[in-house]
Amino acid sequence: SQQGEEDPQALSIQEGENATMNCSYKTSINNLQWYRQNSGRGLVHLILIRSNEREKHSGRLRVTLDTSKKSSSLLITASRAADTASYFCALETSGSRLTFGEGTQLTVNP
Amino acid sequence: NAGVTQTPKFQVLKTGQSMTLQCAQDMNHNSMYWYRQDPGMGLRLIYYSASEGTTDKGEVPNGYNVSRLNKREFSLRLESAAPSQTSVYFCASRSRDFGIQYFGAGTRLSVL
Repeated sequence: SQQGEEDPQALSIQEGENATMNCSYKTSINNLQWYRQNSGRGLVHLILIRSNEREKHSGRLRVTLDTSKKSSSLLITASRAADTASYFCALETSGSRLTFGEGTQLTVNP
Repeated sequence: NAGVTQTPKFQVLKTGQSMTLQCAQDMNHNSMYWYRQDPGMGLRLIYYSASEGTTDKGEVPNGYNVSRLNKREFSLRLESAAPSQTSVYFCASRSRDFGIQYFGAGTRLSVL
């Protein structure tokens, strides 16, 4: 399967805590992307990490990529209630197509 | 700057009816995509268009047709709707420079 698999499926934390979600895959990739989906909305791109990169930061987001283990993690620091959403990893393996995982549902409690 | 616009936002069909979902982007992107999302699942690619005049099947193309009308517009047609096509449909376009996809707000379709 070219699909990424997210872990955990659901995560509930308190405001101010850090949230970590993971994505594992089985194929070679060009890049790996993370998207957020608020309830009832479309997906919004968060961050892209290329296969030759190991770590990227964007504001409170940190993404790591380990191509030898075929895994990535997304860390959201100092979580806020507004971070409550589903988070998806997406793999770009060839051409311009993305394959999405099933997502992690993050709930941040005030 | 509207980004990706999908119409309609909601639709209820009876089994066997046909309809066309419309999508337009104003970002001058070459590539456009149609996905479906079922409860608790990620997105599955139905069809995509790498450039104006070309279309290709994705993971779940059966029961659907597409038209890349021009660079801006990419429509998805259900010729004879089935209850299994009840889903939320998303259109997206891709920035060639950055490889990022931009999504519309979705069309929520129920087939009774």
